[in-house]
Amino acid sequence: TQLLEQSPQFLSIQEGENLTVYCNSSSVFSSLQWYRQEPGEGPVLLVTVVTGGEVKKLKRLTFQFGDARKDSSLHITAAQPGDTGLYLCAGEGEYGNKLVFGAGTILRVKS
Amino acid sequence: GAGVSQSPSNKVTEKGKDVELRCDPISGHTALYWYRQSLGQGLEFLIYFQGNSAPDKSGLPSDRFSAERTGGSVSTLTIQRTQQEDSAVYLCASSLGPGTRTEAFFGQGTRLTVV
Repeated sequence: TQLLEQSPQFLSIQEGENLTVYCNSSSVFSSLQWYRQEPGEGPVLLVTVVTGGEVKKLKRLTFQFGDARKDSSLHITAAQPGDTGLYLCAGEGEYGNKLVFGAGTILRVKS
Repeated sequence: GAGVSQSPSNKVTEKGKDVELRCDPISGHTALYWYRQSLGQGLEFLIYFQGNSAPDKSGLPSDRFSAERTGGSVSTLTIQRTQQEDSAVYLCASSLGPGTRTEAFFGQGTRLTVV
C-alpha cells in the first residue's frame, strides 16, 4: 500500500514568516499534486508536478518534486493570513494506481 | 453536472439510526473517492471506486460503513447504527481515473452530526 506522510501536521506562524510543508513516501509516484482547502469548502488543486527534481512556482508558493519522485515540498514565502487552510499532497502511483492523499497540514497564519 | 455534488449538505441524526450520503461525480469520471474529515483535522481515506468496483475499501472504519456505486456514476455511502464518533464532514471526490495525471475534484461535503 502506498502511503504519503505529511509534516508537520499543524503549523501556526506569524504573518511574514516563511514555512515549508513536507510530503514523504517510500513509494515512487508518477505525479504529485498539492491541494488547498479553505474552511467549509472542498480541497482545490494548486499544482501538479511530474518530473523528478521539478520546481514550480505559484506567486509566493514554491513546489518541488524530489529527484526520486518519492517526496515533495511546499514552501511559502512571507506567509499571509489568507494562506490559512489545510494543505494536502496527493500522489498517483507509478503504475496508474489510485490517487493517494496525505492526511494534510493545517496552517494558521496570524496577523 | 459542472462539479461534484453531494447531498444532503447537512444531516443531523439520532444515535442508532442509519444514514445515506450521496455523491454525484463529474460525468465521465471513472474514479471516485470517499473521505472523512473531523473538525480541524486532515483527510481520512474511506473507500475508492474505479467504475462500479471498489478495489480499495481499506479505510472503512467498521462493518457499519458500506458504499456502492451504480452505473459508474452515483455513489452512496451508508452508515448503519450511527454513533457519535461518526460525526464528521464526509467528502467525495472524482477524477478521470488512474494514469491520467488529472486532478481530483471534491464536493462541498456532507456534514453529519449524530446526537
